[in-house]
Amino acid sequence: GQNIDQPTEMTATEGAIVQINCTYQTSGFNGLFWYQQHAGEAPTFLSYNVLDGLEEKGRFSSVLSRTKGYRYLLLKELQMKDSASYLCAVKDSNYQLIWGAGTKLIIKP
Amino acid sequence: GAVVSQHPSWVICKSGTSVKIECRSLDFQATTMFWYRQFPKQSLMLMATSNEGSKATYEQGVEKDKFLINHASLTLSTLTVTSAHPEDSSFYICSARSPGLESNEQFFGPGTRLTVL
Repeated sequence: GQNIDQPTEMTATEGAIVQINCTYQTSGFNGLFWYQQHAGEAPTFLSYNVLDGLEEKGRFSSVLSRTKGYRYLLLKELQMKDSASYLCAVKDSNYQLIWGAGTKLIIKP
Repeated sequence: GAVVSQHPSWVICKSGTSVKIECRSLDFQATTMFWYRQFPKQSLMLMATSNEGSKATYEQGVEKDKFLINHASLTLSTLTVTSAHPEDSSFYICSARSPGLESNEQFFGPGTRLTVL
């Protein structure tokens, strides 16, 4: 079967840096997505990687290195509003999105 | 750009009634729309994929006669929960995709919270 693994929950301090890893077993690979979802709201798009490299958007960066096995979302200068669930999703060979269960990130003052 | 709306944002209905949820792409043509369901503290569960002008493709375990999907235009898809029961209470989210948009990402609607009494 296909599955996406990511930590269930992580805790970090305001102002710090946190790295959320994602591993996957899918039939093919056509890109890795990160979405942010606040409680009770729909997911919002953060980043997309299909080639090895770094995608930066403000304080958030996503890294993909299929050769070295790195797939993670990096959040810098954490703010309280970053408390949310972060969903990793991989597009398989059929261009179907396979979703992880999400990582609940708790930011403490 | 790439805004998706959903209506209603929340609905409460009695058991046995039907509820229709609309999903609209406001500023782009969505050739493909997806319907998800999310139970509290769980991840998104894809229910079905609909392509404009054709029948929806349902995921395993999703009853197509219970969850009716219509994607009659490039900007509108509807999900009708027929004969709703309390176990159908959930957060229903649609997303839309257009091949013309960068990275083929999905754009999500704000979700519809359904409570069946």
